[in-house]
Amino acid sequence: EAEVAQSPRYKITEKSQAVAFWCDPISGHATLYWYRQILGQGPELLVQFQDESVVDDSQLPKDRFSAERLKGVDSTLKIQPAELGDSAMYLCASSSWTATNEKLFFGSGTQLSVL
Amino acid sequence: AQKITQTQPGMFVQEKEAVTLDCTYDTSDPSYGLFWYKQPSSGEMIFLIYQGSYDQQNATEGRYSLNFQKARKSANLVISASQLGDSAMYFCAMRDDKIIFGKGTRLHILP
Repeated sequence: EAEVAQSPRYKITEKSQAVAFWCDPISGHATLYWYRQILGQGPELLVQFQDESVVDDSQLPKDRFSAERLKGVDSTLKIQPAELGDSAMYLCASSSWTATNEKLFFGSGTQLSVL
Repeated sequence: AQKITQTQPGMFVQEKEAVTLDCTYDTSDPSYGLFWYKQPSSGEMIFLIYQGSYDQQNATEGRYSLNFQKARKSANLVISASQLGDSAMYFCAMRDDKIIFGKGTRLHILP
């Protein structure tokens, strides 16, 4: 079965540095999501793309976070500068629909540690 | 506003018993979808089951069923004959114009 690809799997950085995460959704999936998950909590939506357009970024801290999906395929999430509170798992997901079913496919995530 | 609530932070259940994990939601959109995901300690998000708001019958997938009560805005997950491997975090999620998740329930299956 096709998978959502994410890299890197782990990232350790110092505060005030810039970090970037990459995601390649399942081929043909127009909708792409970035979530942030703190240990023991549910995923929190950061940004939703439909093709190359941002549909929702209401929870994205825009002073330091940015996201793009230039050709409507793969996507990059950037944090600059990173803060201690950004330590979390960053999950990318893409979704598919049929008339009777819908599914959100997740990547393995990027575990970010900010020191 | 879109909202999803899981009120059980943790549950302990004896192996082979049935389990019900609670989920309530709120949305003003008549068209929406409800999901359940399992997240074991390894961290991957595993899709379990989906229910569309217009579906007349409760969704079932093997040992998983979704008890959909539209008027009460609840979408509880039922796991029949629980197994040790069912120990994990379980998340309820809802899609109207975006997909949001609840805080989760940590399920412990006891031998």
